[in-house]
Amino acid sequence: DIQMTQSPSSLSASVGDRVTITCRASQGISSRLAWYQQKPEKAPKSLIYAASNLQSGVPSRFSGSESGADFTLTISSLQPEDFATYYCQQYSSYPLTFGGGTKVEIK
Amino acid sequence: EVQLVESGGGLVQPGGSLRLSCAASGFTFSDHYMDWVRQAPGKGLEWVGRTRNKGNSYTTEYAASVKDRFTISRDDSKNSLYLQMNSLKTEDTAVYYCARRGSCGNYCPWDYWGQGTLVTVSS
Repeated sequence: DIQMTQSPSSLSASVGDRVTITCRASQGISSRLAWYQQKPEKAPKSLIYAASNLQSGVPSRFSGSESGADFTLTISSLQPEDFATYYCQQYSSYPLTFGGGTKVEIK
Repeated sequence: EVQLVESGGGLVQPGGSLRLSCAASGFTFSDHYMDWVRQAPGKGLEWVGRTRNKGNSYTTEYAASVKDRFTISRDDSKNSLYLQMNSLKTEDTAVYYCARRGSCGNYCPWDYWGQGTLVTVSS
């Protein structure tokens, strides 16, 4: 199974801050990496696919990138509605696997 | 508007069975692979399994933790996805989401999720 190691597990930030979350795959996944946002008691929402492509309707302050086995989700200017938990997920091979999540909290 | 609405969750005893449903609307259901993903209370997301579309013979994939206990099926005529859960264990307690795989080629993540239904396995 491909292990997805996500860091940090939590972070505190202020509105307007630049936030970066990292995900590392234990094997090559050929950019088959997605990011999801989940707010408390809500279903996950799809943000990014193929490592760097924004889903329709996702604000441009969200971006994704990759460097080898490392993938990064960046929020360029944190907004109040962005406080949530973020998950990475690989869809390169079965079983489909997620990172452990990063909870973004208000400082 | 794409909508996925799960139902069928509830309280069941260990060793029991439950069938979840997911009603889809707003898109051509038969075109898409469909998945179940679960989330134990206070925990992260875990993929449960997938059913492919008719063009791919409705074949299925499962996580090791549920293989041989859970069965995913679909009825394209009813735009519905199902999860039959047998031999339930306390560790199966979770919110179960259905999710639509997008249409972007051979490899594609989920683009829409349902709101989830809670399954509690307890005596």
